Amino acid sequence: EIVMTQSPATLSVSPGERATLSCRASQSVSSNLAWYQQKPGQAPRLLIYGASTRATGIPARFSGSGSGTEFTLTISSLQSEDFAVYYCQQYNNWPPRGTFGQGTKVEIK
Amino acid sequence: QVQLVQSGAEVKKPGASVKVSCKASGYTFTSYDINWVRQATGQGLEWMGWMNPNSGNTGYAQKFQGRVTMTRNTSISTAYMELSSLRSEDTAVYYCARFCHMITFGGVIVSWFDPWGQGTLVTVSS
Repeated sequence: EIVMTQSPATLSVSPGERATLSCRASQSVSSNLAWYQQKPGQAPRLLIYGASTRATGIPARFSGSGSGTEFTLTISSLQSEDFAVYYCQQYNNWPPRGTFGQGTKVEIK
Repeated sequence: QVQLVQSGAEVKKPGASVKVSCKASGYTFTSYDINWVRQATGQGLEWMGWMNPNSGNTGYAQKFQGRVTMTRNTSISTAYMELSSLRSEDTAVYYCARFCHMITFGGVIVSWFDPWGQGTLVTVSS
């Protein structure tokens, strides 16, 4: 079973600053990694798939990188609406199984 | 637009069962698997399993084997997740999500969940 580990658990950032979130897989997932944003009381929203492809309507300040076991989500200049919890996720194609990281909370510094 | 709309909140007693629905619109229901994910209050996301609406084939996380059943009614584009023998630890928000995938130029299969339903709160309490 692949384990996804995110760091840090909490990231304190000032508006306008850059935020860098990390996600590590216990074994290679190639580029099969997605990132989601979740705000309180809302369902998760897809940000990035295939490790680096922005989903439709996602602002360019969100970017994803990495492959294999190490991945990064970067928010280039934090806006007030970006303070949320971010999850990485991999999906094993066979047997089908999804695994999420434990999340990184981005809070206002 | 592509949308998944789930049924409303439920309150159940320990030992009972709950059945959550997820109605799809804006796309061909039988063309995409539906996955279920749950989230306990203040906790992370936990994957529960998948269902192919075309074939009815399913796969469940080992943790839920024997307690969860995922079904569908294609005539009304609706997926269902039923969880039995409920206990207090099952109190959570349950989400359905459409499973999407593609093959990259490099031949890698990449997959993701989009969109998600709005979530259904299931409370298990005596």
